[in-house]
Amino acid sequence: QVQLQESGPGLVKPSENLSLTCTVSGGSISTNYWSWIRQPPGKGLEWIGYIYYTGSTNYNPSLKSRLTISVDTSKNQFSLKLNSVTAADTAVYYCARGKYYYISWGQGTLVTVSP
Amino acid sequence: DIQMTQSPSSLSASVGGRVTITCQASQDIKNSLNWYQQKPGKAPKLLIYDASDLETGVPSRFSGSGSGTDFTFTISSLQPEDIATYYCQQCDNLPLTFGGGTKVEIK
Repeated sequence: QVQLQESGPGLVKPSENLSLTCTVSGGSISTNYWSWIRQPPGKGLEWIGYIYYTGSTNYNPSLKSRLTISVDTSKNQFSLKLNSVTAADTAVYYCARGKYYYISWGQGTLVTVSP
Repeated sequence: DIQMTQSPSSLSASVGGRVTITCQASQDIKNSLNWYQQKPGKAPKLLIYDASDLETGVPSRFSGSGSGTDFTFTISSLQPEDIATYYCQQCDNLPLTFGGGTKVEIK
């Protein structure tokens, strides 16, 4: 049973960069697509993007100019970096296994953008 | 982007009652529609994929139907543990997009 766990700072200042890592356990990252989804407090879900273990990516155009998703197969991890954050980036960030739908999810991590 | 319009935004039903949620896509998405259940403070859980296929381990009281632009999600007999918010999600075109959610409560 694949398990995912997000990690990273819970508080980021406006204009700074948000960095999160998802650690995959119980299976190899080199077998699937891996995605990030976020959810602002009290609101709906927003797809951020996905990465294949080879490093191939696809991003939401609304975030593309600020977003980098990367993978480290040696550590069984993939990561998200979002530049120049604003309060609108405050959300619970989920990592998940899959390209178009998501069977396995991390528990989510709340990232608050505040001075 | 494909817009997903989900309705109602909330509903209440009796235990044992039937619950129906609709999701309308802004363009034809064939059967590329998934349904998730999200309980407070938890990650979403996949219930239905490809519009009508039940994910392994999901109770058979959950079902989905539809194709093209109009989709329906049904709970045939509402149970107390089904209290949650339900989301549709299209995966026909990138960017993937979700409906606004339907909060289901017990009457």
